[in-house]
Amino acid sequence: DIQMTQSPSTLSASVGDRVTITCRASQSISTWLAWYQQKPGKAPKLLIYKASSLESGVPSRFSGSGSGTEFTLTISNLQPDDFATYYCQQYNSDSTFGGGTKVEIK
Amino acid sequence: QVQLQESGPGLVKPSETLSLTCAVSGSSVISSYYWGWIRQPPGKGLEWIGSVYHSGSAFYNPSLKSRVTISVDTSKNQFSLRLNSVTAADTAVYYCARGQHLVTWGQGTLVTVSS
Repeated sequence: DIQMTQSPSTLSASVGDRVTITCRASQSISTWLAWYQQKPGKAPKLLIYKASSLESGVPSRFSGSGSGTEFTLTISNLQPDDFATYYCQQYNSDSTFGGGTKVEIK
Repeated sequence: QVQLQESGPGLVKPSETLSLTCAVSGSSVISSYYWGWIRQPPGKGLEWIGSVYHSGSAFYNPSLKSRVTISVDTSKNQFSLRLNSVTAADTAVYYCARGQHLVTWGQGTLVTVSS
């Protein structure tokens, strides 16, 4: 089984900040990684797929990078609508989610 | 526009079988996509349950594999989840979704396991 370790679990930030979330895989997953945003009471929303491809309609302040075992999601110029929980997901071998990162208002 | 809608009982007794259906509109289950189930216990993170390909081939979370069946019903354009021998630990919001990277999600349905 592939394990996904996300860090940090909580992040405090201010509007306008640049935020980086990391996801590490227990073995290489090439670029088969996606990032999601989830708000309370709502289904997750796809932001990034194949590690760095921006889903249609997602603001360009979201970007993803990485390959192999280490990946990052960066939100530049954090907006009020971005305070949420973020999850990574590997889909190289079956699928596994990371534990999540809650982005809070500082 | 593709839409997914989960349906099924909101309350299941311990040791019984949880059964949910995901109705698909705006797309066909025989198109070249994976169709999957994900769950989220209250206040916790996401857990992948499994996925089924349009051909009927299914892939499951190893931790749930002995209790799970996911299948496609092409006549009704829907796919289904069955989870046997449930316990309180299976209480969660259950989501259906399309794709390997999950581009489309249902709204989710809360299933509580309790006597």
